[in-house]
Amino acid sequence: GAVVSQHPSRVICKSGTSVKIECRSLDFQATTMFWYRQFPKQSLMLMATSNEGSKATYEQGVEKDKFLINHASLTLSTLTVTSAHPEDSSFYICSALQANAGNTIYFGEGSWLTVV
Amino acid sequence: DAKTTQPTSMDCAEGRAANLPCNHSTISGNEYVYWYRQIHSQGPQYIIHGLKNNETNEMASLIITEDRKSSTLILPHATLRDTAVYYCIVRDTQGGSEKLVFGKGTKLTVNP
Repeated sequence: GAVVSQHPSRVICKSGTSVKIECRSLDFQATTMFWYRQFPKQSLMLMATSNEGSKATYEQGVEKDKFLINHASLTLSTLTVTSAHPEDSSFYICSALQANAGNTIYFGEGSWLTVV
Repeated sequence: DAKTTQPTSMDCAEGRAANLPCNHSTISGNEYVYWYRQIHSQGPQYIIHGLKNNETNEMASLIITEDRKSSTLILPHATLRDTAVYYCIVRDTQGGSEKLVFGKGTKLTVNP
């Protein structure tokens, strides 16, 4: 399957600071990427849909000013958690849509964010 | 909201076939059935997808009933590494939302 890579895999930041997570599609171009958040023992929750060259579409209840998404190229989307708080600590996962016969979506490895 | 119903958990003996059921009684004509799995602390892994016909790849087989209201993912020879949470998702890839909405999935435990 296609490869999607996230960086960093783990990050610790202080409360009040911002942290950026990168999502790259390594062997295909992705006009659409998605960002999810997962708390322990829960399922994945979709945060937003990121479209290359346009503004992201956020799911209900997700603060767009807190979770900044940029999709400046066909292989890179970034999620910036601004003014992070301990409750933002979570597993953040991106995925990218490969436009083919099945429009299959492939996921990155995930990024663990801990806010102290 | 997820449009599928799956058992919360299942057990399977190593080397035996694992059959994971999924109900999607409200599936529409344009919606595909996708299966992903998530091993602890990793991103979900794509397994297989189908529309009407049964599908098979190197990982698994997907059996879809004729009325498309349910399906079964088959891992023919389960190994310990197949222990994971398996998600069945229906998704419209034609003109509808492209996104994947995850339910709670089935936690499959493969026992030695």
